[in-house]
Amino acid sequence: DTGVSQDPRHKITKRGQNVTFRCDPISEHNRLYWYRQTLGQGPEFLTYFQNEAQLEKSRLLSDRFSAERPKGSFSTLEIQRTEQGDSAMYLCASSEPSGQGLDTIYFGEGSWLTVV
Amino acid sequence: AQKITQTQPGMFVQEKEAVTLDCTYDTSDPSYGLFWYKQPSSGEMIFLIYQGSYDQQNATEGRYSLNFQKARKSANLVISASQLGDSAMYFCATRDDKIIFGKGTRLHILP
Repeated sequence: DTGVSQDPRHKITKRGQNVTFRCDPISEHNRLYWYRQTLGQGPEFLTYFQNEAQLEKSRLLSDRFSAERPKGSFSTLEIQRTEQGDSAMYLCASSEPSGQGLDTIYFGEGSWLTVV
Repeated sequence: AQKITQTQPGMFVQEKEAVTLDCTYDTSDPSYGLFWYKQPSSGEMIFLIYQGSYDQQNATEGRYSLNFQKARKSANLVISASQLGDSAMYFCATRDDKIIFGKGTRLHILP
């Protein structure tokens, strides 16, 4: 399978615990994106990387959220001191570098987080 | 800032009929792309079709076609001969450095 892969697919955690999600992009893609999606809504942009550089962060990404892509390959998204409002699906996506902004972005299957 | 508007929260369509999902967009960029994604209940986002702003012809991919009306800033998705497996959420999106999604339309295909 050469698509975007995410791990774990499902995570249930107690409020206050830390969680980490991993994303492995398509191998030749140097852009990597994180989105959050709650039930019945469209995905909301969180942050994106070009290689190892984090180029943009949404104001949705509070101080409890941190994303890294240390070697420009896989990425991790960590949520510290989880709250019930963090319950959502976290989607990762990747794309080739944007020439005119028109390259297609491919998504993983998402990581579902439930905070109890 | 770019914005996508999908005004149909849900639609019910009889199997084998054609269906049009509405999408309007707002962007100040002279060059842009418009996308449609399908999201079944499993959660994955499946790329369906892409239209570039300078493309002269409407994009088509199998049963999917994009009715692109630049002056109206609309990019409606047309699904011909709908199938039960088409039941899903459908998102219209545009892109600058990142993809911006609309709120989506939930499509139900009735047997």
